[in-house]
Amino acid sequence: EAGVAQSPRYKIIEKRQSVAFWCNPISGHATLYWYQQILGQGPKLLIQFQNNGVVDDSQLPKDRFSAERLKGVDSTLKIQPAKLEDSAVYLCASSLLVTDTQYFGPGTRLTVL
Amino acid sequence: GENVEQHPSTLSVQEGDSAVIKCTYSDSASNYFPWYKQELGKRPQLIIDIRSNVGEKKDQRIAVTLNKTAKHFSLHITETQPEDSAVYFCAARGSGGGADGLTFGKGTHLIIQP
Repeated sequence: EAGVAQSPRYKIIEKRQSVAFWCNPISGHATLYWYQQILGQGPKLLIQFQNNGVVDDSQLPKDRFSAERLKGVDSTLKIQPAKLEDSAVYLCASSLLVTDTQYFGPGTRLTVL
Repeated sequence: GENVEQHPSTLSVQEGDSAVIKCTYSDSASNYFPWYKQELGKRPQLIIDIRSNVGEKKDQRIAVTLNKTAKHFSLHITETQPEDSAVYFCAARGSGGGADGLTFGKGTHLIIQP
């Protein structure tokens, strides 16, 4: 079974620039999550999708972060404009159902200079 | 919201000894508690999980225990091996009617000394 795919794997940008990350979940997984993992910390949930609808975005900084999951499959996470404190690994995870195991992708390491 | 505390932040044990990592959670409605292992630069990988209707679960050298009354759960690794060296994260998931993202602890860096 193919795992969760993410791209790019690394991204370096200047502050105030924009950036977008892409995630392709495991085939058939209805639930998709984006997490932010700052160095030395555990992942922090940013947003949860069930199919193409948002279930929870309470921890998403909506003034600069946005996410979408068109057609209930792939998802993109965007940051506009980026700040220095956004430097982190952005992890995508998916699960078959909400109550099932979450499988993580390899992550995108973002460095904001 | 849920808050998960994890201890210790660093744990060094001799190869062959046991390692124990402890976590506490705040939301009594949480009902699912996974443990993830993350090697440097890699994705978190699930190693074991436990649901709130079970007190203990074992998988070879790994076990997890859950005390719902005290709201804490622990990871036990026996006969540790060099490949067990990694960062381990505990997490909790509430029963929030569909809003069920995981809340993670800050991680434990497990070092296996040869």
